[in-house]
Amino acid sequence: EMVLTQSPGTLSLSPGERATLSCKASQSVNSGYLAWYQQKPGQAPRLLIYGASSRATGIPDRFSGSGSGTDFTLTISKLETEDFAVYYCQQYGSSPLYTFGQGTKLEIK
Amino acid sequence: EVQLLESGGGLVQPGGSLRLSCAASGFTFSGYVMSWVRQAPGKGLEVVSSITGGSDYTYYARSVRGRFTISRDNSKNTLYLQMNSLRGDDTAVYFCAQRGSGWAFDYWGQGTLVTVSS
Repeated sequence: EMVLTQSPGTLSLSPGERATLSCKASQSVNSGYLAWYQQKPGQAPRLLIYGASSRATGIPDRFSGSGSGTDFTLTISKLETEDFAVYYCQQYGSSPLYTFGQGTKLEIK
Repeated sequence: EVQLLESGGGLVQPGGSLRLSCAASGFTFSGYVMSWVRQAPGKGLEVVSSITGGSDYTYYARSVRGRFTISRDNSKNTLYLQMNSLRGDDTAVYFCAQRGSGWAFDYWGQGTLVTVSS
């Protein structure tokens, strides 16, 4: 069964800094089926990245995704105040058909 | 503009039933896979169920298989989730989500809260 493990659990950074979030899969993931979401308190998740590295519509270019196989990364090049939130990775295709990571909380230092 | 509006949540006793609805607009509803994703209080995300545009294929998480039924009415642009034999661990916000051509969940509703408690 596919498991996605995100690290770190919490990341404390300051605005203007660079954030690097990791998502490791227990089995190889088809890169076309790896996505990243942002969720703020009381809101629905918002799609940031699909296909491991393609930005969704309207997503600023400070967000970028990379990786393949079992190791994937979401990078936020220069943090803005509105970027502090919880981030989830998600895969499609392996059993179970859909899997989310447990999330990384990005908090203001 | 894509809009997804869930309804039907509420408080229900263990063993009870509830039917969620998701009214969709702003896109060709029948052309998209639709899903229900839930989030227990303070927890992460779980895809509960998914259905293809023509209702020919459905998916259920192991945790709800045999208790929940997903369906859709393309003439009404509405997605449903019939939830039976509800348990305390079904307590969550239930989101309706559209799966886009990139296989990810492009659009989400704001969610409806289901609380299972006596």
